[in-house]
Amino acid sequence: DTGVSQNPRHKITKRGQNVTFRCDPISEHNRLYWYRQTLGQGPEFLTYFQNEAQLEKSRLLSDRFSAERPKGSFSTLEIQRTEQGDSAMYLCASSTRLETQYFGPGTRLLVL
Amino acid sequence: GENVEQHPSTLSVQEGDSAVIKCTYSDSASNYFPWYKQELGKRPQLIIDIRSNVGEKKDQRIAVTLNKTAKHFSLHITETQPEDSAVYFCAASILGNTPLVFGKGTRLSVIA
Repeated sequence: DTGVSQNPRHKITKRGQNVTFRCDPISEHNRLYWYRQTLGQGPEFLTYFQNEAQLEKSRLLSDRFSAERPKGSFSTLEIQRTEQGDSAMYLCASSTRLETQYFGPGTRLLVL
Repeated sequence: GENVEQHPSTLSVQEGDSAVIKCTYSDSASNYFPWYKQELGKRPQLIIDIRSNVGEKKDQRIAVTLNKTAKHFSLHITETQPEDSAVYFCAASILGNTPLVFGKGTRLSVIA
């Protein structure tokens, strides 16, 4: 499968716990994006990387959220001290610099 | 920053009829406008995109038009089929420089 993959696909956690999601982009894509999507809304930008450099973070991204792409390949998104408002679908997308973004299947997070 | 408005939020058409979804954007520097289709529980999938150096682009039953002066762009689906039923999102960006900003989506229902 040469598309964007994400793991896990589903995550249920209790409020206050930490969670980590992984995204594996299309292999030749140097850009990797994280979005959050809640029910009935379009994806909202969180952060993106070019290779291993984090180029931009949304003001939506609280200090409980951190993302890394240490070797310029896969990326992880960690949420510390989860809150019920963090429940959403977390989408990853990848692209080359001047081409369109292709999305992964997402990780659905439910915080109880 | 960029703001994208999308209308209508829901649209029902009879099979075989045409469907039109409209979006407006605020940042005149935006030059890339993709459309994504998202079926229930699945990832957003790119169906067509347009760059600001052209006014119209077609791919079989799907077309997108762009009016840079008015800052709006539209998706046209002709000869609709039940499998076109999904949520459609428009987005805008400065290609290569800014992340995608999405509209809130249009739920299209094609009635057989």
